[in-house]
Amino acid sequence: DAKTTQPPSMDCAEGRAANLPCNHSTISGNEYVYWYRQIHSQGPQYIIHGLKNNETNEMASLIITEDRKSSTLILPHATLRDTAVYYCIVSGNTGKLIFGQGTTLQVKP
Amino acid sequence: GAVVSQHPSRVICKSGTSVKIECRSLDFQATTMFWYRQFPKQSLMLMATSNEGSKATYEQGVEKDKFLINHASLTLSTLTVTSAHPEDSSFYICSASHTGSEVYEQYFGPGTRLTVT
Repeated sequence: DAKTTQPPSMDCAEGRAANLPCNHSTISGNEYVYWYRQIHSQGPQYIIHGLKNNETNEMASLIITEDRKSSTLILPHATLRDTAVYYCIVSGNTGKLIFGQGTTLQVKP
Repeated sequence: GAVVSQHPSRVICKSGTSVKIECRSLDFQATTMFWYRQFPKQSLMLMATSNEGSKATYEQGVEKDKFLINHASLTLSTLTVTSAHPEDSSFYICSASHTGSEVYEQYFGPGTRLTVT
C-alpha cells in the first residue's frame, strides 16, 4: 500500500474552513484515498473516501488532484469538536489500513 | 450507521495472566475484522487481519502465539493476549468492514485499554 505524507499539526479558527493536505505520490491506479480521524482515546472515525473524483458528504469534502498524487480534506465550518488527529490513508483491495502519523488539527475559539 | 463494540473497555491484569478482548459488529456482518494496537502518543499499528472461519493473518513482527485471534462468527472476533507482560499495556482497537463490494469503509470499535501490572 502506498505511503502518505501529512503535516504533523495545523491550527484552524472555529467557524472557518479547515483544509488538510496529504501527499500520496506513489498511489496505484486501484488504490483509494481514505480519511479517518481519531479524537483522543477513542477509536478512529471514518470521514470520507475517493478514487479520483471529488467527493462530498455531510462531514467533509475530498478534493483529489487530477494526477491523484495529492488530496485535500476540507471541513467547511470547523468546530471545537473537530479537534482530532486526521489520518490520510491509501489502500487497495486488501482492505488493510496502514496508519501514518496523521495531522493533529487544533480548532481554536 | 454501522456500530462496532468492544468489551471490556478497560482491563487491568497481573503479569503472566491472559486477557480476552471481544469485538462485535452490532448491525452488520463482517467477514473481515482487523486488530490494531496503539501506544501513547503514537499512531495505530495493524496487528492482524481476522477472517471468519479461517486463521488470522499477522503483520510482520506480531507474535501469533502471543496474540491469539479467533473469528468464529460473522459478528464476533476475539483477541487473547496470552501471558501478558507490562510491555503489552496498550490501547487495543478492532475494526470491521462490510464485505461484498470493491470499496468499503472500516468501522472502528471504541478501543480497550489494557494495563498489565
